[in-house]
Amino acid sequence: GQSLEQPSEVTAVEGAIVQINCTYQTSGFYGLSWYQQHDGGAPTFLSYNGLDGLEETGRFSSFLSRSDSYGYLLLQELQMKDSASYFCAVRDLDTGRRALTFGSGTRLQVQP
Amino acid sequence: EPEVTQTPSHQVTQMGQEVILRCVPISNHLYFYWYRQILGQKVEFLVSFYNNEISEKSEIFDDQFSVERPDGSNFTLKIRSTKLEDSAMYFCASSESGANVLTFGAGSRLTVL
Repeated sequence: GQSLEQPSEVTAVEGAIVQINCTYQTSGFYGLSWYQQHDGGAPTFLSYNGLDGLEETGRFSSFLSRSDSYGYLLLQELQMKDSASYFCAVRDLDTGRRALTFGSGTRLQVQP
Repeated sequence: EPEVTQTPSHQVTQMGQEVILRCVPISNHLYFYWYRQILGQKVEFLVSFYNNEISEKSEIFDDQFSVERPDGSNFTLKIRSTKLEDSAMYFCASSESGANVLTFGAGSRLTVL
């Protein structure tokens, strides 16, 4: 099976940089995805890492190390609108589950 | 930008009643999903649908749940006899290739009294 671990809450100030970590346990790993969800809203896709290394999209970057079963989402130049929950997600081929399985989410609070 | 649309946005029902939640996926997408999220908790997989049949389902998706694609555009989730614990936000999602990029609808909030 698989498990995803991410911190439940992170607080940072406007303009700062924050890193949200995600560790996973599955031998059938098939990439790590990140989704953002504002309160009352739908999850929206942020990034995907299929291979080791850094993927950059504007202020957001995502990193993956398959050997460490670890990834992170990096948010730079934080803005108030970045206050949201951030979920890492995997497809667990070990269990045959092809659909995405989401972690419990990290609630990011950006303060002025 | 193409979007997934869901109706109703909020439904209140009595325990034991049947509920149908509707979704219109993005038109060129081939894979459809239902997820649910109990307030304050994580997004949980219910079922995926491809080529007019269920691809896989989770342990949550028991006999009281069913999905259907009645025509070329709609994708529905039916809950036959609702229970209190079915109260949640239900998200429909679709993807082009069944991989890692899902587009979610805004959700249907179900409240079972």
